[in-house]
Amino acid sequence: ETGVTQSPTHLIKTRGQQVTLRCSSQSGHNTVSWYQQALGQGPQFIFQYYREEENGRGNFPPRFSGLQFPNYSSELNVNALELDDSALYLCASSNSGGVDQPQHFGDGTRLSIL
Amino acid sequence: DAKTTQPTSMDCAEGRAANLPCNHSTISGNEYVYWYRQIHSQGPQYIIHGLKNNETNEMASLIITEDRKSSTLILPHATLRDTAVYYCIVRVDGNAGKSTFGDGTTLTVKP
Repeated sequence: ETGVTQSPTHLIKTRGQQVTLRCSSQSGHNTVSWYQQALGQGPQFIFQYYREEENGRGNFPPRFSGLQFPNYSSELNVNALELDDSALYLCASSNSGGVDQPQHFGDGTRLSIL
Repeated sequence: DAKTTQPTSMDCAEGRAANLPCNHSTISGNEYVYWYRQIHSQGPQYIIHGLKNNETNEMASLIITEDRKSSTLILPHATLRDTAVYYCIVRVDGNAGKSTFGDGTTLTVKP
């Protein structure tokens, strides 16, 4: 069973640039969620995709957007990068968005904004 | 979502049971209790979850009080590799399965 994989593992950008982060869900999982984790804090929910549609969003501005593809992989796009966007971005997949289904996380992409 | 309260840090001796408490006094009837742990520079690892009954798997046991206002994660024989940040969260159905993480408990297992 292949787990959740994310790419790249590390990335450095400058303010105002755009970034795309990628996630391959665990085999058999059709739901992907994205989280932002600042240093020393717990992960914060960004949004979730189920069957290629966004079906829930946290308190993040519209410059955070995403996509899910027919193979259930997903992308997180962030426009107009700000210094505060520096964080670990985590992807989690699950078998449906049901609350009784555990989310399984990848090891994240460490994004640094200069 | 119900808010959870956990101690900031705990120590445990290697080979002893680690008992990690979590308070979720505002939990609703349809909210599940989940436990994850995060080892430095890795993503959170799922441990166990439950609704109202006690649960056990190969990693840990979850004890939920009868009124569901608190729970305890038990690692029966802690090892040095169990040193991590442990997160207790509650998830409610119909909210896109969103998980709301707090700051967790840093468990340090000592030789």
